[in-house]
Amino acid sequence: QSALTQPPSASGSPGQSVTMSCTGTSSDVGGYNYVSWYQQYPGRAPQLMIYEVSKRPSGVPDRFSGSKSGNTASLTVSGLQAEDEADYYCSSYAGSNDVVFGGGTKLTVL
Amino acid sequence: QVQLVQSGAEVKKPGDSVKVSCKTSGYTFTGYYVQWVRQAPGQGLEWMGWINPNSGDTRYAQKFQGWVTMTRDTSISTVYMELSRLKSDDTAVYYCARVYMLTNPRFDSWGQGTLVSVSP
Repeated sequence: QSALTQPPSASGSPGQSVTMSCTGTSSDVGGYNYVSWYQQYPGRAPQLMIYEVSKRPSGVPDRFSGSKSGNTASLTVSGLQAEDEADYYCSSYAGSNDVVFGGGTKLTVL
Repeated sequence: QVQLVQSGAEVKKPGDSVKVSCKTSGYTFTGYYVQWVRQAPGQGLEWMGWINPNSGDTRYAQKFQGWVTMTRDTSISTVYMELSRLKSDDTAVYYCARVYMLTNPRFDSWGQGTLVSVSP
């Protein structure tokens, strides 16, 4: 299966909101409510931020929210903080117990 | 606490094989699937496949079928990922991560990553 499509970069000023998209097909993002988002700092392992499209694991600030419309999922970070600067990856269940990831979006806090 | 601790960095030559280990602790080993994901330098995450530590069943991404093998040793709560016939573009950080349900694949704990460098 093909990787999910994410814009390579996004940016915002502290306190602002930024939304990152993740576009797939009806065979993955559009077909299941099993989209996850991961935050990754340089040299570190990814960390789960959102699962099942919009749910947050304990410990993840409520500034992070997720949504989905059709074949596109979105991650919104509200009240941007300097520590939000990282790479963000989406993933989706793709049927047949397969997983597909996006190419990642580098979030810059200006 | 839940931990997945991977083996150290490896340097290999083209055509070699590499075997990366992922030792788990802090949870019931047979209660979660272990998935493998790799990340080439400066690139995104790439799903490789999973192993069921309880049964040993595996599923590999189509790209890796025929040259990746995932195994486990339940006596030491460890899973392994072996990649054969290495090429230079297999240079990447390889991660293991646990998943509770295959049909709801949220990777909630990750290993620290193992850098595999392939160079002549």
